[in-house]
Amino acid sequence: AQTVTQSQPEMSVQEAETVTLSCTYDTSENNYYLFWYKQPPSRQMILVIRQEAYKQQNATENRFSVNFQKAAKSFSLKISDSQLGDTAMYFCAFISNFGNEKLTFGTGTRLTIIP
Amino acid sequence: GAVVSQHPSWVICKSGTSVKIECRSLDFQATTMFWYRQFPKQSLMLMATSNEGSKATYEQGVEKDKFLINHASLTLSTLTVTSAHPEDSSFYICSAQGSGVQTQYFGPGTRLLVL
Repeated sequence: AQTVTQSQPEMSVQEAETVTLSCTYDTSENNYYLFWYKQPPSRQMILVIRQEAYKQQNATENRFSVNFQKAAKSFSLKISDSQLGDTAMYFCAFISNFGNEKLTFGTGTRLTIIP
Repeated sequence: GAVVSQHPSWVICKSGTSVKIECRSLDFQATTMFWYRQFPKQSLMLMATSNEGSKATYEQGVEKDKFLINHASLTLSTLTVTSAHPEDSSFYICSAQGSGVQTQYFGPGTRLLVL
């Protein structure tokens, strides 16, 4: 079974600074997807970024980028020029590339951006 | 793109009544929909997976007669909490996934309070 670990329950950073959220996972599979989801106080789960395991290039979405280290099974999220709207719970998630697989979530990191 | 709606966003009901929650994919066809429950300050807990036109697959410990799931079309899934009790009070979130795409898009969630 796959596991996803987020070792930072809470983090805070000053507005405009850069912050990195860590995520490690455990799997015996070679073909899978990794995600970062954001859950602001509204509780809507929002897809932030997606990484396909077979792609070596790290995914980026505007101010959000990942550092995907497949051999180390590490998938950290970097938020540059952090904004107040980035305050949220961030969940790292894993899914196998085989059909009808379940999304495995980490326990989340609560990020607070300080004005 | 990839917008998922959920209705209602809030529901308060008396103990013993049934409550239906709708989940719709607005701009794509969802071959698979998922229903989650989230307790305060915790990650999402998968309740069941439903494929269009098929019976839902429930996770261990989830009562299928209590949480009825119907996925009658490629854009609509419903969750009915039957004979609701106060312990069923929670935040319920659906997600939808298109064919061949291992990415789930989430609805905004439904807060259920059973008195």
